[in-house]
Amino acid sequence: GQSLEQPSEVTAVEGAIVQINCTYQTSGFYGLSWYQQHDGGAPTFLSYNALDGLEETGRFSSFLSRSDSYGYLLLQELQMKDSASYFCAVRGLSGGSYIPTFGRGTSLIVHP
Amino acid sequence: EAGVAQSPRYKIIEKRQSVAFWCNPISGHATLYWYQQILGQGPKLLIQFQNNGVVDDSQLPKDRFSAERLKGVDSTLKIQPAKLEDSAVYLCASSLSGEDQPQHFGDGTRLSIL
Repeated sequence: GQSLEQPSEVTAVEGAIVQINCTYQTSGFYGLSWYQQHDGGAPTFLSYNALDGLEETGRFSSFLSRSDSYGYLLLQELQMKDSASYFCAVRGLSGGSYIPTFGRGTSLIVHP
Repeated sequence: EAGVAQSPRYKIIEKRQSVAFWCNPISGHATLYWYQQILGQGPKLLIQFQNNGVVDDSQLPKDRFSAERLKGVDSTLKIQPAKLEDSAVYLCASSLSGEDQPQHFGDGTRLSIL
């Protein structure tokens, strides 16, 4: 099966940079994704890493190290609207198919 | 493009009753997922369809949950009979084919069991 570990909560101030870590254990591996979910809302896709290294999308960047089974999401120039839950998700092998498993989520609280 | 549509938005039932949720994915998305999200946790995959075939349902409690996607487009998820621990948000997501494709989620159905 698959399992993921990420911090339950992170706090930061507006304008700062914050990093949310994710470690995973999986049978087979087909990419690490990040999703954002505001309270009462639907998860929305942020980024995807299949290969080692950094992927940048505006203020958000995501990093993957397959040898360490580790990734992180980096949020720069934090804004109040970034207060939300952030989930890492991996695709691992189950019954011959790569299926998604989500972490428990990290609640990011941005203070003014 | 229109997003993933789900209904109802909210549902309150008593334990041992049955309930059904409906999902209409984004047009052209062959892959459809149903998730259960308990408060304070991440989405847990219940079942994944590719067109009208089941890719994985290993975490679906088959004694009480069932899902279908008969024509490879919209889908229904049913719980019969419901238990108190089924109180959760049920999310539907869809994607283009391929493990690297992002999932697009609907707003979910918030189910409360009394």
